[in-house]
Amino acid sequence: EADIYQTPRYLVIGTGKKITLECSQTMGHDKMYWYQQDPGMELHLIHYSYGVNSTEKGDLSSESTVSRIRTEHFPLTLESARPSHTSQYLCASSREGAGNEQYFGPGTRLTVT
Amino acid sequence: AQSVTQLGSHVSVSEGALVLLRCNYSSSVPPYLFWYVQYPNQGLQLLLKYTSAATLVKGINGFEAEFKKSETSFHLTKPSAHMSDAAEYFCAVSALNSGYALNFGKGTSLLVTP
Repeated sequence: EADIYQTPRYLVIGTGKKITLECSQTMGHDKMYWYQQDPGMELHLIHYSYGVNSTEKGDLSSESTVSRIRTEHFPLTLESARPSHTSQYLCASSREGAGNEQYFGPGTRLTVT
Repeated sequence: AQSVTQLGSHVSVSEGALVLLRCNYSSSVPPYLFWYVQYPNQGLQLLLKYTSAATLVKGINGFEAEFKKSETSFHLTKPSAHMSDAAEYFCAVSALNSGYALNFGKGTSLLVTP
């Protein structure tokens, strides 16, 4: 069954630590996205990718970075976590073309202490 | 730029009553519109989408939405609410300038009372 996975689901870490949030999809989608969602609030795009070796910054300024070495894998990295990074991070993917829906992973809830 | 506005951050209905969640869009070109649902501690699940094929769109779980260009609206409805419909609902529009990423509304929290 095609799906999109995120690990870990929950993460509590201390300030200054480097972390990588994993996202993988088995649908062969070229496009992948990372959104940040604060509790009870809308989602904001932080990164997206058109395909392998393509990465772009989204509308919301973020200190994170992403990479896209394989089609199915789109990890997000924070070099030095801060309390302001505490949030939920959602990964999504879609087929090429306008009007195609995005499929979302279950999210990673990050808490930085 | 494409954007959506959801009217009402919280909506409460009785079980069996009509559900109406409001969404208005702003777009300089014909929009692609979506409704997603989010249950606690989960990702988003697509309810339905509008891609100009038909103005009345039927989705999963008995939900439907009607695209009204004259009113720039895409309201979500369900004739009879179930307790299991309690969740966060997001309206979204496809953004042309960022790989067709989605611009989301702030969300509407639906509460269903017995």
